[in-house]
Order: sequence, then C-alpha cells, then structure tokens
Amino acid sequence: AQSVTQPDIHITVSEGASLELRCNYSYGATPYLFWYVQSPGQGLQLLLKYFSGDTLVQGIKGFEAEFKRSQSSFNLRKPSVHWSDAAEYFCAVAGGAAGNKLTFGGGTRVLVKP
Amino acid sequence: GAVVSQHPSRVICKSGTSVKIECRSLDFQATTMFWYRQFPKKSLMLMATSNEGSKATYEQGVEKDKFLINHASLTLSTLTVTSAHPEDSSFYICSARAPGQGNSPLHFGNGTRLTVT
Repeated sequence: AQSVTQPDIHITVSEGASLELRCNYSYGATPYLFWYVQSPGQGLQLLLKYFSGDTLVQGIKGFEAEFKRSQSSFNLRKPSVHWSDAAEYFCAVAGGAAGNKLTFGGGTRVLVKP
Repeated sequence: GAVVSQHPSRVICKSGTSVKIECRSLDFQATTMFWYRQFPKKSLMLMATSNEGSKATYEQGVEKDKFLINHASLTLSTLTVTSAHPEDSSFYICSARAPGQGNSPLHFGNGTRLTVT
C-alpha cells in the first residue's frame, strides 16, 4: 500500500526566507508524486508533479521539488517566501497512473512572519 | 481548462436530513471522480471512487448506505449524505480525471463545508 509522511505539522518562516517542506513516500514501484496547496476553506491547487525524467521539477508560484529515490523523498522548496504563501501544503502519491486515487500526507501548515 | 466545480460551497442542515453535494467537470468528461473528506486541521481521506455508469467503490470503513454516490453522466457525480448527524460535519472535496489521460493529474473542486446541527 502506498503512504505519504510529512514530518512537519507546522513551519513558521520569515517573509523572504527560504522554505523547505519534507515529504517521504512509500510505494513499491515508481510513484507519481504531487504537491498541492490549500488555502483556508478552499480546495486544492496543484503546485507541481513528478512522473519521470528530471528529478528536479519546477512548479507554479516559484516552487520546486526534488525527487530522491534513494531517500524516498520529494521535498518542496521555495527560495524566498511571500506572505501569500501561508497555507496548508499536502504531498501526495498516486500509484499506477497519475490520474489514479491519491494518498495524501498529513499536511504541513506554513505560517509566514512579516 | 480542466475545471471542477462543486456545489454548494457551504451547507447547514439539521440532524436526520439528507444533503446532496454535486461535483461537475466543466470542460472535460470525467469517467472517474473521487470523493474525499477532510476533518479540521487534518489531511484528506479518500471516501470512494465514483465511476460513470457503475457502482462506486468505497474505501474501508466508509458506510456506503450513508454516503450515496451517483455518477450518472460523464460530467456529474453526486454525494448524498443521508440521515446526517453532527459527526458528519466536515469538508468534502471531489476530484476528477479525464478519460484517456492516464498521466494527467487529478483536478479538485473547491470543496463543500457541511455543518450538521
């Protein structure tokens, strides 16, 4: 069975500082990996995805993530955080095909200090 | 493109009544839709997979007689919470994928906040 772990429940970062959100997955084959962002009371917006190929993927809003098979990780990064980046971030894995059902991590809430 | 619309965005109902939530794919046809439930400050838990023209597949622990899913067309799936109780209060989100796009990620609706009083 596939699973996702996001070790950090909360992260507080100063505006302009860098941000890294950790994600570890468990899946028997090559996974399809995603990062989603959720603002309060809203649905999910896809930030980026990894299917194959280049292990460093670029997403929207200046985010990037790196797939490391040896570490079963897919950490999300942003060099300089903006106040509007305060939200809940979810890492997710799909097995077999990217359009299959997703298994989500527990989420990381990002707070941005002025 | 690939917009998923959910309606209503918020609903308040009394215990014992039923509530229907609609999930529509606006600009594509979705053979498969997924219904998730999110508790406050928690992650999303898959409830069921809705397949057009056939019965939904429910995840373990989800009561299929309580959470009725109908996927009668390629653009509409509905989730009906029957005989709602306060513990059914939650945020429900649907997602959809288009046919023939195996590597296309899921598209999510904006969710429905259900409050049962």
